[in-house]
Amino acid sequence: TQLLEQSPQFLSIQEGENLTVYCNSSSVFSSLQWYRQEPGEGPVLLVTVVTGGEVKKLKRLTFQFGDARKDSSLHITAAQPGDTGLYLCAGDSGGSNYKLTFGKGTLLTVNP
Amino acid sequence: DVKVTQSSRYLVKRTGEKVFLECVQDMDHENMFWYRQDPGLGLRLIYFSYDVKMKEKGDIPEGYSVSREKKERFSLILESASTNQTSMYLCGTRQNYGYTFGSGTRLTVV
Repeated sequence: TQLLEQSPQFLSIQEGENLTVYCNSSSVFSSLQWYRQEPGEGPVLLVTVVTGGEVKKLKRLTFQFGDARKDSSLHITAAQPGDTGLYLCAGDSGGSNYKLTFGKGTLLTVNP
Repeated sequence: DVKVTQSSRYLVKRTGEKVFLECVQDMDHENMFWYRQDPGLGLRLIYFSYDVKMKEKGDIPEGYSVSREKKERFSLILESASTNQTSMYLCGTRQNYGYTFGSGTRLTVV
């Protein structure tokens, strides 16, 4: 069974601070995805990283895929209250397996 | 971009009732799925479907069944609702780059 461990589970910071969320596994994934979920809504895809060592930027968000494709990180610079939400990582093992393996999420609260 | 619509945002049902949760996509995607999401447990896959009338059990299929008679619609059925099925239910489609989820159905079984 593939597992994705996310840390921290909860994070409460002040507006303007930086933060990093981690997603780790002992398994290799063909790609890794990050989602953000707001209360009462479904998760929304932020980014997909595919190549080991890949770095993608989405405004103040920076995503990195580990060289061995077993881990990933999400870094937010100068967090804003609008960044508040549940951040989920999900690994795709590829092939004919249609399932994603989800981490349990990091609940981020950015206080004004 | 695909749009996924779940028929109800909130549902309250009684124990023992048969419950239907509907999910519709507006494109021709083959892969659709149902997850449930619970605090501390994350997202758990109930069923997925890779084409019309084709389905495969996920990690927690017990107490659930599914129906996919048309490509755009994937229904989740709770045969006899129980209180431990109170949860947030998420459906969606899969594309090469990731999943598109609906807004979710918050089901409470009393």
